Parts: sequence; structure tokens; C-alpha cells
Amino acid sequence: GQNIDQPTEMTATEGAIVQINCTYQTSGFNGLFWYQQHAGEAPTFLSYNVLDGLEEKGRFSSFLSRSKGYSYLLLKELQMKDSASYLCAAMDSNYQLIWGAGTKLIIKP
Amino acid sequence: GAVVSQHPSRVICKSGTSVKIECRSLDFQATTMFWYRQFPKQSLMLMATSNEGSKATYEQGVEKDKFLINHASLTLSTLTVTSAHPEDSSFYICSAREGQFDSYEQYFGPGTRLTVT
Repeated sequence: GQNIDQPTEMTATEGAIVQINCTYQTSGFNGLFWYQQHAGEAPTFLSYNVLDGLEEKGRFSSFLSRSKGYSYLLLKELQMKDSASYLCAAMDSNYQLIWGAGTKLIIKP
Repeated sequence: GAVVSQHPSRVICKSGTSVKIECRSLDFQATTMFWYRQFPKQSLMLMATSNEGSKATYEQGVEKDKFLINHASLTLSTLTVTSAHPEDSSFYICSAREGQFDSYEQYFGPGTRLTVT
């Protein structure tokens, strides 16, 4: 079956770095997405990886290893506004997104 | 950037009535639109995928006669929750994609919070 695993909740300190891991199993693979979702709002796109390696975009970076079925989202210089849920989603061979349950990130001052 | 709107943003209805939610792509043509449902503290659950001009494809366990989806044009899809019950109360989110198979990014609407009393 298809499955996405990511931690339920993480806590980090303002100004620090946090890494949110995601493992996936899908029927075919057409890329890995990370979305940010604040409470009561729709998800917003953060990153897309389809090739192995690290993609850096400002304070956020995303990494993919296709052979390991593994990705992580790295957030640097954490700010209070980064408190949100982070959703990992893998696109299968039918171009459908398979969603993880999300990781709630709590930032403490 | 691509913008997707949803209307209404919040709706309260009585049990047994029907509610229609609109999803519009404002600055691009959406060949494919997706409807999701999200319960508190849970992830997105895909309800159905609709392609313009054809019938929606519903996920397993989603009643197509209860959740009517119409993708009448390249910029508009509607979800109608028929004979709503309190257990249908949820956050409904649509997303849109320009292409069917050659475009990867989905653009999300702001969501509609439905409360059935």
C-alpha cells in the first residue's frame, strides 16, 4: 500500500534549526512536496523535490533520497511565525498526492 | 502567482439541508481540481478529483450521491453537500492544477468551514 510517515509533533526554540523527517512508500514516484499549514488555513506550498539532493530556498531547505524513500525539511533561524503544521506529500505514478498526517511544529521563545 | 478562491469561507446550515461550495481559479485554467476534507488535528483527506467536462473520480468511502461535484468550466468547480448531517461538519479545501499529467503543483483555496447544526 501507499504510506507516508512523519512525526506527529516537534518542539524547537526560536532562532534554532529543526529538521522534520518524512518517509514514503508509493506506487511509482513523481516527486515529494512539503506544505505549511497554519491552524484554520489551507496549506501553502513550500518545496518540491524530484531528484536526489538538497534544495535550498531561503531559511527552508528540502532534501530527497529516492533510493531510501526519505525526505526532510530543514528550517533555519526559526521564528515564532513558523509555528504550524508541516505536511509531507508524495506524488504517485498517477500524479495523485499521497499525504502524511502532518507534523505540528511548536516554537518556544 | 496562481490564485484559487473558495466561497463561502464559513457556512452554518441546519441538518438535512444542502450546501454548495464554489472553487475558482482566478488567473489560470484548471484542468484538474481536487476536493479535500480535513477534520481537526488530522491531515487532508482527498475526497474526489475532477477534470473539466467529465465526471469526478471519488475516493473509496466517499458517497458520490452525497457529495456532488461539478467541474463545469476550466475555472470553476462546485461541491454540494446534500442532506447535510452534523458529522459532515469539517474544513473543506479545494485545490487546482493547470495540467492533468504534466503539471505538478496544486494551488489551494483558502478553505470552507462547514458547521451543520
